[in-house]
Amino acid sequence: DSGVTQTPKHLITATGQRVTLRCSPRSGDLSVYWYQQSLDQGLQFLIHYYNGEERAKGNILERFSAQQFPDLHSELNLSSLELGDSALYFCASSETGGNYGYTFGSGTRLTVV
Amino acid sequence: AQTVTQSQPEMSVQEAETVTLSCTYDTSESNYYLFWYKQPPSRQMILVIRQEAYKQQNATENRFSVNFQKAAKSFSLKISDSQLGDTAMYFCAFMTSGGGADGLTFGKGTHLIIQP
Repeated sequence: DSGVTQTPKHLITATGQRVTLRCSPRSGDLSVYWYQQSLDQGLQFLIHYYNGEERAKGNILERFSAQQFPDLHSELNLSSLELGDSALYFCASSETGGNYGYTFGSGTRLTVV
Repeated sequence: AQTVTQSQPEMSVQEAETVTLSCTYDTSESNYYLFWYKQPPSRQMILVIRQEAYKQQNATENRFSVNFQKAAKSFSLKISDSQLGDTAMYFCAFMTSGGGADGLTFGKGTHLIIQP
């Protein structure tokens, strides 16, 4: 157990739907990062939150949004889902700067049918 | 923008052999951090080793060591006495030293297979 908890582990939904992925960071970590892993794109950085505030955006689609709550858990919202959104979504956390690396959760496997 | 290149999509070696995975990167930064992550079939991303660019000494963690060549922008991972449990995808990753706000940049990965 890495200390980063992601739920659900698996999600199957239809095109056009909206889903929410949840992440609880490791105790004491203030930063949360979201990544998308697909066969063709590899690991893509989506967004970074630090202590409730957005710090950086990567290759995140406008249909996707995220937030980090006062208790530091984070949610990634994916809407108007398309077949191409099927992927493994990882959450990772770190202490302030992440210079010692990130701790990853076990991921949420999203399948859009 | 930084890029990370792993030129070996797949490698296969016999158990107990030594194997080296290659990684090159492109950056204009002078200070940064480099990482190797392992992703076994369980899909969990596990940090293997970390290197600070301003340190000339190569990092070592038990059977895992790196060969960091800053001028050549090369960061290879050597696994000694390979074990069946080392079978996994290995990702090289880069992060700037400015707090890592933009996150880790990953290479495409190398699938390492350890044969019994």
